[in-house]
Amino acid sequence: DSGVTQTPKHLITATGQRVTLRCSPRSGDLSVYWYQQSLDQGLQFLIQYYNGEERAKGNILERFSAQQFPDLHSELNLSSLELGDSALYFCASSRRLEGYEQFFGPGTRLTVL
Amino acid sequence: GIQVEQSPPDLILQEGANSTLRCNFSDSVNNLQWFHQNPWGQLINLFYIPSGTKQNGRLSATTVATERYSLLYISSSQTTDSGVYFCAVVAGGTSYGKLTFGQGTILTVHP
Repeated sequence: DSGVTQTPKHLITATGQRVTLRCSPRSGDLSVYWYQQSLDQGLQFLIQYYNGEERAKGNILERFSAQQFPDLHSELNLSSLELGDSALYFCASSRRLEGYEQFFGPGTRLTVL
Repeated sequence: GIQVEQSPPDLILQEGANSTLRCNFSDSVNNLQWFHQNPWGQLINLFYIPSGTKQNGRLSATTVATERYSLLYISSSQTTDSGVYFCAVVAGGTSYGKLTFGQGTILTVHP
């Protein structure tokens, strides 16, 4: 158990819908990251938050947004879902902004039908 | 951006065999991690090793940052070692914590 929690574990929804994935980092970790794992793209970085502020952005679609709340948990919002958004979404956390080991949650498996 | 290449892409072993997985990266790194993704999809931390050598039981890893590669050694493999092994790096400079992953090595250990 990495100490990072993600909910829900599985999510099945339809095209055009909007979903919210939730992540709680390890106790004491200030940085939260979101990654997407799909069969064709592999594991890709989406976005990083540090102590409530966005600090780095990857290939995150405009239909996707995220935030980190004062209690340090984070949410990833995916809207206008397409079939191609089906993937495993991971949250990770680390102590500080950079130079620290990242620990991954169990992931949320999103299926868009 | 930084490129990460892992080899071999697939590896099939008999239980008890040893193996070496390689990770090459194209630029300087601030962070390098090895992960094992088990059949349930969980990413398990194996090593945080931006440089040097570490050992943990039957697993060990070495990173030679100046030559831009890292090696993961698995000795006396067991069926539970099966899964996908990923190398991931944080590029030097202002990449903050963004991990760039290799494509992985799929390991299958037969009893």
